[in-house]
Amino acid sequence: DAKTTQPPSMDCAEGRAANLPCNHSTISGNEYVYWYRQIHSQGPQYIIHGLKNNETNEMASLIITEDRKSSTLILPHATLRDTAVYYCIVSPTGGSTLGRLYFGRGTQLTVWP
Amino acid sequence: DGGITQSPKYLFRKEGQNVTLSCEQNLNHDAMYWYRQDPGQGLRLIYYSQIVNDFQKGDIAEGYSVSREKKESFPLTVTSAQKNPTAFYLCASKVQGGNGYTFGSGTRLTVV
Repeated sequence: DAKTTQPPSMDCAEGRAANLPCNHSTISGNEYVYWYRQIHSQGPQYIIHGLKNNETNEMASLIITEDRKSSTLILPHATLRDTAVYYCIVSPTGGSTLGRLYFGRGTQLTVWP
Repeated sequence: DGGITQSPKYLFRKEGQNVTLSCEQNLNHDAMYWYRQDPGQGLRLIYYSQIVNDFQKGDIAEGYSVSREKKESFPLTVTSAQKNPTAFYLCASKVQGGNGYTFGSGTRLTVV
């Protein structure tokens, strides 16, 4: 089962920051927080991941609370092309474990003009 | 460019027929996965393979079969035993020990 809780939908004005929350209160010490997004009828696209420190890349920023029980994905300047379902996933990294991903229903983000 | 190719994008089959979905990757990834997605739902794991000639059942393996004869290829067969085969099927791969999965663009299977 998915170990995360996300709001089913959110919307955001184009050009504004989109802040997508995720609760993962049962996260284990070796589990990372991953974010993926899926545009309709396409495969999911990796966005970012982190363990306990905040992370930033060219797509987004990931803010993880100090107790690691929740996180927020930030799209700093949302565009219409960011409209998608966003999945927050917790999983151990690869190596000796399977490193499988449990996908919940995610958050449908709609960016409006 | 490196990536995962799933073919075909759309597939129609009659009820009772077996059908095989193709998944090929040129990323030199060790592990490969098959997921199923139903409308409005998340992804559910069907089968996975971490090395050639080895694979394991996921959460919903009944009615499906796979093979991993080559590192690059992980075909999925949807058999007539699968009661509700109509769905969107996604293949993924990753480097063993690495982070970040790469997904294919999916195959939408419709059984009539």
